[in-house]
Amino acid sequence: AQSVTQLDSQVPVFEEAPVELRCNYSSSVSVYLFWYVQYPNQGLQLLLKYLSGSTLVESINGFEAEFNKSQTSFHLRKPSVHISDTAEYFCAVSGGSYIPTFGRGTSLIVHP
Amino acid sequence: DTAVSQTPKYLVTQMGNDKSIKCEQNLGHDTMYWYKQDSKKFLKIMFSYNNKELIINETVPNRFSPKSPDKAHLNLHINSLELGDSAVYFCASSTASNTGELFFGEGSRLTVL
Repeated sequence: AQSVTQLDSQVPVFEEAPVELRCNYSSSVSVYLFWYVQYPNQGLQLLLKYLSGSTLVESINGFEAEFNKSQTSFHLRKPSVHISDTAEYFCAVSGGSYIPTFGRGTSLIVHP
Repeated sequence: DTAVSQTPKYLVTQMGNDKSIKCEQNLGHDTMYWYKQDSKKFLKIMFSYNNKELIINETVPNRFSPKSPDKAHLNLHINSLELGDSAVYFCASSTASNTGELFFGEGSRLTVL
């Protein structure tokens, strides 16, 4: 069985400040890890993914996440957020069944 | 040209009615899914189809019946709608590589009155 814990349901931050959204997972097999973003009234879009290789993965809009196997974490970071980053962020893990399990989401609220 | 499209986007109906949500993907993917997102944004897998065959059927009431006429379509039919069925339903698809990377539709918001 696999599970995902997103410790923070809401993260408020000021524009241009750094942010970290935390994600921890558990799985009995090797995993693939994902971050998805959901803007208001839209579907989920893939932000970045870890499949293999380098443990640090980046998105095209400045987010990055690091796979830490010993701590079973895949935290999402951005050094300087923008108002347009306001959205719901979901961490997901897939293992043996390849059906991903989602965390409960973290609402990132960027204030001007 | 939308990759995963769902219709309708909004659906408001009375308790006890039957309704359907349609989903189509033009990505050539073999696997399609239905997820339910509740009011607290929690996403739960309902069904998964691979090449028109059911491979996952989580603990969903049998009032919910998926239908896959071909691998590009996965429709969701709901009988005898209840208040608790109100949610946003997302269709998704994935490639045969099965890493778990999903491509989502924009969602269908169902409101049962």
